[in-house]
Amino acid sequence: AQRVTQPEKLLSVFKGAPVELKCNYSYSGSPELFWYVQYSRQRLQLLLRHISRESIKGFTADLNKGETSFHLKKPFAQEEDSAMYYCALSGRSNTGKLIFGQGTTLQVKP
Amino acid sequence: GAGVSQSPRYKVAKRGQDVALRCDPISGHVSLFWYQQALGQGPEFLTYFQNEAQLDKSGLPSDRFFAERPEGSVSTLKIQRTQQEDSAVYLCASSLASQRLYEQYFGPGTRLTVT
Repeated sequence: AQRVTQPEKLLSVFKGAPVELKCNYSYSGSPELFWYVQYSRQRLQLLLRHISRESIKGFTADLNKGETSFHLKKPFAQEEDSAMYYCALSGRSNTGKLIFGQGTTLQVKP
Repeated sequence: GAGVSQSPRYKVAKRGQDVALRCDPISGHVSLFWYQQALGQGPEFLTYFQNEAQLDKSGLPSDRFFAERPEGSVSTLKIQRTQQEDSAVYLCASSLASQRLYEQYFGPGTRLTVT
């Protein structure tokens, strides 16, 4: 079964501390993994995808196929990073269907 | 330009009523998606359109749910005989091209409460 698990509902850190938002997935095959973010009073938006191997707003995520994980990391958290983060998976069905995790609220305290 | 818009933003329905939720995608976006987001959960896929063709409706939870996009632009999600478990935020998303389906632009959602 295709599934995305985000074990933490809430992650609270102080400004300047490192952040790691955990994501594990279950998928038979080679999925594409994404992180979506929803800031307060804003819409859900794409943050980054694993294939591009890019850093967006200081965030990076590496796909670890052995551990079936796609954790989101940032070395120094900023207050503006406070938001809800969703890990999502897309299979190879070409329908664009995204399977989302339950989401993790990141709270960055001053 | 304008993003994805959805109407109404809030809808309260009595159990058993029919509801219709509207989505206006970004102009020119070929692909359109509907998701259901229950409280405290991530969005769950309902259905996908490419232009006017509904290519995937595997996520629709029952035959009470019906979606259409007759002219390949505006889409309507209809729920017949609403039940309390239908209470959720319904999200619409669109994407520009079939090659970048993952880059979905989401609307603000319609919060449906069934009493």
